[in-house]
Amino acid sequence: KAGVTQTPRYLIKTRGQQVTLSCSPISGHRSVSWYQQTPGQGLQFLFEYFSETQRNKGNFPGRFSGRQFSNSRSEMNVSTLELGDSALYLCASSLASGTTDTQYFGPGTRLTVL
Amino acid sequence: AQSVSQHNHHVILSEAASLELGCNYSYGGTVNLFWYVQYPGQHLQLLLKYFSGDPLVKGIKGFEAEFIKSKFSFNLRKPSVQWSDTAEYFCAVNSNFGNEKLTFGTGTRLTIIP
Repeated sequence: KAGVTQTPRYLIKTRGQQVTLSCSPISGHRSVSWYQQTPGQGLQFLFEYFSETQRNKGNFPGRFSGRQFSNSRSEMNVSTLELGDSALYLCASSLASGTTDTQYFGPGTRLTVL
Repeated sequence: AQSVSQHNHHVILSEAASLELGCNYSYGGTVNLFWYVQYPGQHLQLLLKYFSGDPLVKGIKGFEAEFIKSKFSFNLRKPSVQWSDTAEYFCAVNSNFGNEKLTFGTGTRLTIIP
């Protein structure tokens, strides 16, 4: 079974631009979560989607948004990029059958904001 | 709000040494506990998880962790480490009631010297 895939793997943007990251979950997984990983803050939860609905959201500004499609694929968007948005963005998928589910992580998208 | 503390930021051991990485969490309710590992250049992957039953859980690659409810701890152990265990280790928690959002510790970087 293929793992979680994320595209693109690397991105370089400039301040003020916007960016869209994509995540394809493991086949059959219905929940997709997004995390931001930085050296200073570690891994922080952004949001989670299930059945095209955002179920939970972390403490990030409204510039960070996401959506999920009917095939469970998910995208996240960051508008008006700031230098501090440089990070590794990780997507994780799970069956969503309960909180004891294992979340399987993708390789991440490395975003650099100049 | 949930929080997770990993007090060891960087641990350096020689091969065959025993390992114990500390993890303490703060949450008033019932939790599920996870240890994830990130090998250099690889995805985050699950080492082990605890959600109920025997507080001593065994994971992949010879790792185990013990849940001590009275101490709010979930320390990771391995009796004899190998060079291939060099990686970053993350403790994570989610609530047993509600959604799957994972709260991660800041991670412990483990370096094994051959």
